[in-house]
Amino acid sequence: GAVVSQHPSWVICKSGTSVKIECRSLDFQATTMFWYRQFPKQSLMLMATSNEGSKATYEQGVEKDKFLINHASLTLSTLTVTSAHPEDSSFYICSAREGSDTPEAFFGQGTRLTVV
Amino acid sequence: AQSVAQPEDQVNVAEGNPLTVKCTYSVSGNPYLFWYVQYPNRGLQFLLKYITGDNLVKGSYGFEAEFNKSQTSFHLKKPSALVSDSALYFCAVRDANAGNMLTFGGGTRLMVKP
Repeated sequence: GAVVSQHPSWVICKSGTSVKIECRSLDFQATTMFWYRQFPKQSLMLMATSNEGSKATYEQGVEKDKFLINHASLTLSTLTVTSAHPEDSSFYICSAREGSDTPEAFFGQGTRLTVV
Repeated sequence: AQSVAQPEDQVNVAEGNPLTVKCTYSVSGNPYLFWYVQYPNRGLQFLLKYITGDNLVKGSYGFEAEFNKSQTSFHLKKPSALVSDSALYFCAVRDANAGNMLTFGGGTRLMVKP
């Protein structure tokens, strides 16, 4: 099946710094990528949807200036958590779909972010 | 609006016994339905999907699910559970006629005991 690689798997950063998370589709071109946040023992919360070459669409309540998403190519999307604070600590997961007619999405392995 | 309900937070089953993880959904149009499994500190692994066709779909690791339109359900099943099946399972739905959004259920933790 299609492979989505997410990097890093875990990161610890100091409060106030920025962290970039990469999501790559390894064997297909991802026209659409999704970024989710998952709190402990909870389901996935969609943060934003990005289409290659255009601005991301953010879900209600997600600060677009804090969570910067770039989908510059068909195989790479990045999420940058700017000026991170401890409450941003979470598990972030990306997923990718090959085309608008492709029903399923494939997920990266997730990134555990801890802000100290 | 679309939604997914997984009524059980946790399902306990003995190894070798059949397992069922329940899922019901609500969408305006035709549903695309999915099951994913998540192991600790990992992303989601795709198990199976229903798009169209046969109501019984078979997926990875011996799992299957049955689409029931009248009951708006898509329960996940396996005839004989393994200890290694212990994980967090998510059901998800997407409206085939309305955009990209995939909506997840709250997840069900499956515990298979030896």
